[in-house]
Amino acid sequence: NAGVTQTPKFQVLKTGQSMTLQCAQDMNHEYMSWYRQDPGMGLRLIHYSVGAGITDQGEVPNGYNVSRSTTEDFPLRLLSAAPSQTSVYFCASRAGVITDTQYFGPGTRLTVL
Amino acid sequence: GIQVEQSPPDLILQEGANSTLRCNFSDSVNNLQWFHQNPWGQLINLFYIPSGTKQNGRLSATTVATERYSLLYISSSQTTDSGVYFCAVVRAGNNRKLIWGLGTSLAVNP
Repeated sequence: NAGVTQTPKFQVLKTGQSMTLQCAQDMNHEYMSWYRQDPGMGLRLIHYSVGAGITDQGEVPNGYNVSRSTTEDFPLRLLSAAPSQTSVYFCASRAGVITDTQYFGPGTRLTVL
Repeated sequence: GIQVEQSPPDLILQEGANSTLRCNFSDSVNNLQWFHQNPWGQLINLFYIPSGTKQNGRLSATTVATERYSLLYISSSQTTDSGVYFCAVVRAGNNRKLIWGLGTSLAVNP
């Protein structure tokens, strides 16, 4: 198993550009989520999904879109990048919607100029 | 919402020392996990432990759900234990979101 994979590892954008962060898992997990991590603020949930076709907002959803067309993939789209979206982004998955161990991807370091 | 508080916020140890990290939470939980974020940023799950005690090598964890706290024990610490340790919970009921503490930053000196 590759586990949870994310691409790219690093990205630099200009203000106003859009891009998609890719996330995939090969463990047939129902639950997938996206977090951002900023210094001193811990991990904050952006969006999550409890299965294909089902997504919901987390704590900080503004400026981000997600979709879940398959069990394996959960891309995060930045619609119009802003400097405030400079952060490290983590994708995660777990087998159970409520219980079970959560596994993280390696992260994407995004800088918006 | 549920509050998750971790203590201490920072900890410095000499290699070989033991330590205890604490996680307090303000409501009943269905899910509690401990994670280690290494100095390279990778988040690794240490324990899934909504109740009871588990051990994995030099690490062990205990969750007393009725008293709403969890402890992570690190014995004979090594420099590779350095990093940030996070506790995260899912509040009991039909909740799905992991709520995170702010972490304990651990530095183990040789």
